[in-house]
Amino acid sequence: GQNIDQPTEMTATEGAIVQINCTYQTSGFNGLFWYQQHAGEAPTFLSYNVLDGLEEKGRFSSFLSRSKGYSYLLLKELQMKDSASYLCAALDSNYQLIWGAGTKLIIKP
Amino acid sequence: GAVVSQHPSRVICKSGTSVKIECRSLDFQATTMFWYRQFPKKSLMLMATSNEGSKATYEQGVEKDKFLINHASLTLSTLTVTSAHPEDSSFYICSATEGLADTDTQYFGPGTRLTVL
Repeated sequence: GQNIDQPTEMTATEGAIVQINCTYQTSGFNGLFWYQQHAGEAPTFLSYNVLDGLEEKGRFSSFLSRSKGYSYLLLKELQMKDSASYLCAALDSNYQLIWGAGTKLIIKP
Repeated sequence: GAVVSQHPSRVICKSGTSVKIECRSLDFQATTMFWYRQFPKKSLMLMATSNEGSKATYEQGVEKDKFLINHASLTLSTLTVTSAHPEDSSFYICSATEGLADTDTQYFGPGTRLTVL
């Protein structure tokens, strides 16, 4: 079956770095998305990786290893506003989205 | 975990026809369902929020008469794209929550790819 795993909840300190991992098993693969979702709001696009490697975009970076079925989202210089849920979603061979359950990130002062 | 399905997964239709997309919560009762539209590699744009048994709440700029939403039961919501045009071609995604609170977890469906010729 198709599956995505990511931690349910993580806690980090303001100003620190946190890495949110995501492992996936899909029928085929056409890329992986990371979204940020604040409570009561629509998800906001953070990144899309389809090739192996690290893509940096400001304080956020996303990494993909297709051979390992693994991705991570790296958040640097954490700010209180980064407290949110982070969703990992993979596109399978039929271009269907397989969603992780989301990681709730709690930032403490 | 909670599972949300969508049907069909992809649909191709002619311009001017109407298309219905179903969103079902398979193992929980969805008090609230959300309909999103995803543009290629970009954010999900919230189109509307529907609560079972009541009229959907549409986001600004979304035409109510074009995108008809029906949330007739606690496990099913439908989005009908009426008189579809090529610019309506997109990836439509639904999500569902069990409760009404903003903090409730949203469970997302796999999406429906609509292509209007």
